[in-house]
Amino acid sequence: QSALTQPASVSGSPGQSITISCTGTSSDVGGYNYVSWYQQHPGKAPKLMIYDVSNRPSGVPDRFSGSKSGNTASLTISGLQAEDEADYYCTSYASGSTLVFGGGTKLTVL
Amino acid sequence: QVQLVESGGGVVQPGRSLRLSCAASGFPFSTYGMHWVRQAPGKGLEWVAFIWSDGNDKYSADSVKGRFTISRDNSKNTLDLQMNSLRAEDTAVYYCGRDRGLKYLDYWGQGTLVTVSS
Repeated sequence: QSALTQPASVSGSPGQSITISCTGTSSDVGGYNYVSWYQQHPGKAPKLMIYDVSNRPSGVPDRFSGSKSGNTASLTISGLQAEDEADYYCTSYASGSTLVFGGGTKLTVL
Repeated sequence: QVQLVESGGGVVQPGRSLRLSCAASGFPFSTYGMHWVRQAPGKGLEWVAFIWSDGNDKYSADSVKGRFTISRDNSKNTLDLQMNSLRAEDTAVYYCGRDRGLKYLDYWGQGTLVTVSS
């Protein structure tokens, strides 16, 4: 149950696009199309932003998109806004009926 | 609307036990699997345990296996986490979350803080 690998931090200016990567193995990210992404503002509970690699729950802006290639999933945020500044976590179903989270990425909007 | 409210957190000495609860409302609790996820201070999220809707199958992280037990009472719409032999590294905010097919959590509670310290 090793954590998925995410960059510790990314940054971008308002209006720009950023991408956060999430690297796992063939036993988790690469083996299933069950990657999800969560946004967490300081002191708040996580919020689901993307599920099943690329699906957005109702109410999540279409500026948020997800994709996957091999053992690496990605979250892209286009048209960055100040309120997007938060921590982002990926997670994946893993063999053995478990979930594994990434270490988290701090997004700074410059 | 879906609501998940955790309770039971507090300060506990190493080696002691604590029981967390999560009260669910706004959805048919007995038809959903449920998770516990924790977050140590200043750290990332860590999946802790999962229980299927009927309570018959449960899974837990290696870090808590043999010490933590997840359970549920569908008649009371509650999810529990019994934590035994607590260690300093178990200090964290504990969140309960609603499951979607053991793939992701679509709703989360606000969390309850557990501090393990002498």
